[in-house]
Amino acid sequence: GAVVSQHPSRVICKSGTSVKIECRSLDFQATTMFWYRQFPKQSLMLMATSNEGSKATYEQGVEKDKFLINHASLTLSTLTVTSAHPEDSSFYICSASYPGRANTEAFFGQGTRLTVV
Amino acid sequence: GQQLNQSPQSMFIQEGEDVSMNCTSSSIFNTWLWYKQEPGEGPVLLIALYKAGELTSNGRLTAQFGITRKDSFLNISASIPSDVGIYFCAGQKYNNNDMRFGAGTRLTVKP
Repeated sequence: GAVVSQHPSRVICKSGTSVKIECRSLDFQATTMFWYRQFPKQSLMLMATSNEGSKATYEQGVEKDKFLINHASLTLSTLTVTSAHPEDSSFYICSASYPGRANTEAFFGQGTRLTVV
Repeated sequence: GQQLNQSPQSMFIQEGEDVSMNCTSSSIFNTWLWYKQEPGEGPVLLIALYKAGELTSNGRLTAQFGITRKDSFLNISASIPSDVGIYFCAGQKYNNNDMRFGAGTRLTVKP
């Protein structure tokens, strides 16, 4: 089955630095990937839709200058948390689905636990 | 963003018992999905439902896509300790362009 790989699984960074998270589709090409944020004991909240070769679409309330998304190839999307602060600490998860299918389930990465100290 | 109404929020059951959880929405979805998430991991797909009224099984798991397309349920039969985790429903509209999640059901199974 489809595999989505996310890296790193855990990262600790100092306040004010930037962190890049990678999301790769391993056995298929994903024209669209999705980035979610999950707080402890809460559900997944969609942050943005990453589109290959074009700008990402951000959900209301998500700062596009703080959460930079780059979808430079059909198998890779990156999320960069810029000038991170402790309140950005969270679990970030990406997903991708097979392109060109009318109904298709999303496959998720393993998630990245970001801790900003 | 808009979320689905998932219940119950948590369940504590004995090993061997059956479990049922459900999701409802005010919107119609084309696809209903059920995921399981374990601590520190991303959600893993359990069952995908594509047609209203569809009933699908995956081992001890059974899920149904409601006739109105606004609800779905997931049943787990004869629960075992490894069923522990958080179960999320997700409703999807077109090509995953609009997928929304329930708040999750946290399942604890006592041996």
